[in-house]
Amino acid sequence: GIQVEQSPPDLILQEGANSTLRCNFSDSVNNLQWFHQNPWGQLINLFYIPSGTKQNGRLSATTVATERYSLLYISSSQTTDSGVYFCAVERYGDSWGKLQFGAGTQVVVTP
Amino acid sequence: DTAVSQTPKYLVTQMGNDKSIKCEQNLGHDTMYWYKQDSKKFLKIMFSYNNKELIINETVPNRFSPKSPDKAHLNLHINSLELGDSAVYFCASNPGWSSYEQYFGPGTRLTVT
Repeated sequence: GIQVEQSPPDLILQEGANSTLRCNFSDSVNNLQWFHQNPWGQLINLFYIPSGTKQNGRLSATTVATERYSLLYISSSQTTDSGVYFCAVERYGDSWGKLQFGAGTQVVVTP
Repeated sequence: DTAVSQTPKYLVTQMGNDKSIKCEQNLGHDTMYWYKQDSKKFLKIMFSYNNKELIINETVPNRFSPKSPDKAHLNLHINSLELGDSAVYFCASNPGWSSYEQYFGPGTRLTVT
């Protein structure tokens, strides 16, 4: 199956700092999503981004499909950004939205 | 209005019991999923249904049986619960198949004692 590696595994930020989370995948994909799991356990969609760049407020994401990686940028971090960030992909050739998740990046934003 | 809802939110039960988790989506989506998140927060797909038809069935013990009475509902029944079944179970949906965004429910935390 496809391998999905996220880095770093843990990240501690001071409020206001910027950060970049990375997701590497081992095969071509036709679906890539970033999720934020908040401290209450809810999985929140951040981006559906199989290729290209998107921005939503302080968050932006870039996927370079030909090089098999995606980046999530958090700017001016806030304590509400704390939680686990997951990258999930569907391998090209699979169908029906069979997402494979990375292990996540645990982010702690301190005041 | 909740897009993907699950009941119950918490479920505590003893080994050997049988339990069900229900999922409903009001997004008009055709495809629904069950995922399991273990104690290390690793998420893994279990099943998927498209318009009441089973389309993904990962390596899951036979004690787990999904049922989809209609395309808006996907339930998960678990027989003879074991300690290792303790996890958070998430339901998700997407509009069709493959390259669409998936939307997740709030999760059901199952604790087997």
